[in-house]
Amino acid sequence: EAGVAQSPRYKIIEKRQSVAFWCNPISGHATLYWYQQILGQGPKLLIQFQNNGVVDDSQLPKDRFSAERLKGVDSTLKIQPAKLEDSAVYLCASSLWGGSGVSGELFFGEGSRLTVL
Amino acid sequence: KQEVTQIPAALSVPEGENLVLNCSFTDSAIYNLQWFRQDPGKGLTSLLLIQSSQREQTSGRLNASLDKSSGRSTLYIAASQPGDSATYLCAVKAAGNKLTFGGGTRVLVKP
Repeated sequence: EAGVAQSPRYKIIEKRQSVAFWCNPISGHATLYWYQQILGQGPKLLIQFQNNGVVDDSQLPKDRFSAERLKGVDSTLKIQPAKLEDSAVYLCASSLWGGSGVSGELFFGEGSRLTVL
Repeated sequence: KQEVTQIPAALSVPEGENLVLNCSFTDSAIYNLQWFRQDPGKGLTSLLLIQSSQREQTSGRLNASLDKSSGRSTLYIAASQPGDSATYLCAVKAAGNKLTFGGGTRVLVKP
């Protein structure tokens, strides 16, 4: 079974430039998450999709971050314009939607490391 | 709001010693708790998943316990090896499939 795929693995940009990250979840996984992980900290949820609908984007800085999940499969996370504090690893994860009383295991991709200069 | 804490933030042990990693959470209304391992520059690898109805899960040298009423989980790693050196994160899943992470415990196993 293929895992969660992310690209690019590494990206270096200058502040005020834009960047996009792509994620392909495990086949059949309805729930997709984007997390931001700053060095030395635990991952912080940016946005959660259920199929192609947004479940939670309360911690997404919407003035500069956007995300979409076309057709409920692949997802793209965009940052425009980037700031120095956006330097982090952006992790994508997916899980089966468990529904009431059943909850699924999360599987993570390798992450996309962003450096903003 | 769910808060997840992992103490200590870092731990160093000699090879062969058992590891005990702690995770505490503030809201006991959870669906499950998951332990992950993260190597430097890598993504998260799932180690164990404990559903809210379970009290423990075991996989090889790993054993994780869950006490919902006290808001605690403990990950035990028996007979540690240098290859166990990594950061260990716990995460709690609650309503809406929302997962909240702790800050992690960085483990170093010295040969």
